[in-house]
Amino acid sequence: DSGVTQTPKHLITATGQRVTLRCSPRSGDLSVYWYQQSLDQGLQFLIQYYNGEERAKGNILERFSAQQFPDLHSELNLSSLELGDSALYFCASSVGPGTFSPLHFGNGTRLTVT
Amino acid sequence: SQQGEEDPQALSIQEGENATMNCSYKTSINNLQWYRQNSGRGLVHLILIRSNEREKHSGRLRVTLDTSKKSSSLLITASRAADTASYFCATDRNTGNQFYFGTGTSLTVIP
Repeated sequence: DSGVTQTPKHLITATGQRVTLRCSPRSGDLSVYWYQQSLDQGLQFLIQYYNGEERAKGNILERFSAQQFPDLHSELNLSSLELGDSALYFCASSVGPGTFSPLHFGNGTRLTVT
Repeated sequence: SQQGEEDPQALSIQEGENATMNCSYKTSINNLQWYRQNSGRGLVHLILIRSNEREKHSGRLRVTLDTSKKSSSLLITASRAADTASYFCATDRNTGNQFYFGTGTSLTVIP
């Protein structure tokens, strides 16, 4: 058990809809990362927060947004959903802001857009 | 966009054999990490090797890093059926603040 909790585990929704994915990081970790994993694109970095502040941005679409709250949990909002957004979305956490400590991954939210 | 490319894409071996996976990357790095992913689950960190290190060991795992060739290898010795998983390398492209994952090697260990 990594200590990272993601909810919900599965989400099925229709095109055009909006969903919110939630992540609680491992106790003591201040950094939260969001990744998208699809069969054709592999594991894509979306965005990173450290102690409530956005720290790095990757291939995150404008239709997607995220935030990290004062209690350090994070939410990823996906709007105007398209079929191509169907994927496994992972949250990961680490102690510090940099890359010298490992990532601890949750078990992901599987999003299916129909 | 991907940073690393694992090779081979898929590997099938008998239990007890050694498995070697390779990772090549394109830019300079601060460190390189290897992760394992069981089907449909989150990734699990295996080992971190810094750019000034050449080799690291952890249990049955041995990782090497050749920064001149921009490549790394992961060796799993005396493989077990439980090692069946996908293995990913991740680098930071010298950014120091985000990880970029390769495309993964799917390892199957046949009992």
